[in-house]
Amino acid sequence: SQQGEEDPQALSIQEGENATMNCSYKTSINNLQWYRQNSGRGLVHLILIRSNEREKHSGRLRVTLDTSKKSSSLLITASRAADTASYFCACYGGGSEKLVFGKGMKLTVNP
Amino acid sequence: DAGITQSPRHKVTETGTPVTLRCHQTENHRYMYWYRQDPGHGLRLIHYSYGVKDTDKGEVSDGYSVSRSKTEDFLLTLESATSSQTSVYFCAISPDRGTKNIQYFGAGTRLSVL
Repeated sequence: SQQGEEDPQALSIQEGENATMNCSYKTSINNLQWYRQNSGRGLVHLILIRSNEREKHSGRLRVTLDTSKKSSSLLITASRAADTASYFCACYGGGSEKLVFGKGMKLTVNP
Repeated sequence: DAGITQSPRHKVTETGTPVTLRCHQTENHRYMYWYRQDPGHGLRLIHYSYGVKDTDKGEVSDGYSVSRSKTEDFLLTLESATSSQTSVYFCAISPDRGTKNIQYFGAGTRLSVL
């Protein structure tokens, strides 16, 4: 059962622009995580935000969480061609002790 | 890839044959997971382990079995491979299953069942 759902499914931007990806989920969570996957590689953890947190930063990444709307957003500022990848949100909690991944969204950053 | 080795990286097999994929970690993490990744479905959990000889089913466990006889190794077996099991398989590890459940992934195994 899919917990998180990313939106948009694909995004194409120019280098230097900001990229915003959204994730909506269905049940209560303990934390929400974002992962990146480069083509042909495994997923890499980017950032984790707990249910009692509203915003978190890591380098060029900014994550927000709105538990009342059951949604999260990942903002990548000043994007680079190397940010081209698929991005996944993953939800932990809501009665399940497993991390449940969304289907992912593809970000293309054009040089 | 965080001390995780998946083998083989690529495999082509025929329908009805048994297949075993191996995940080896050098991090001494307690939790290990097998996922499959398919277009339109994202990442789905097959089985996971929370210790040596302790395993449990995930979302899509039918047709798969696992074993963990050592902390560092987690094997995924397709008893009789079918074309629907053509997929990319990822192993992941995690030191904790609580609120710090960050997972670290291997590079994946691309399996084709003809």
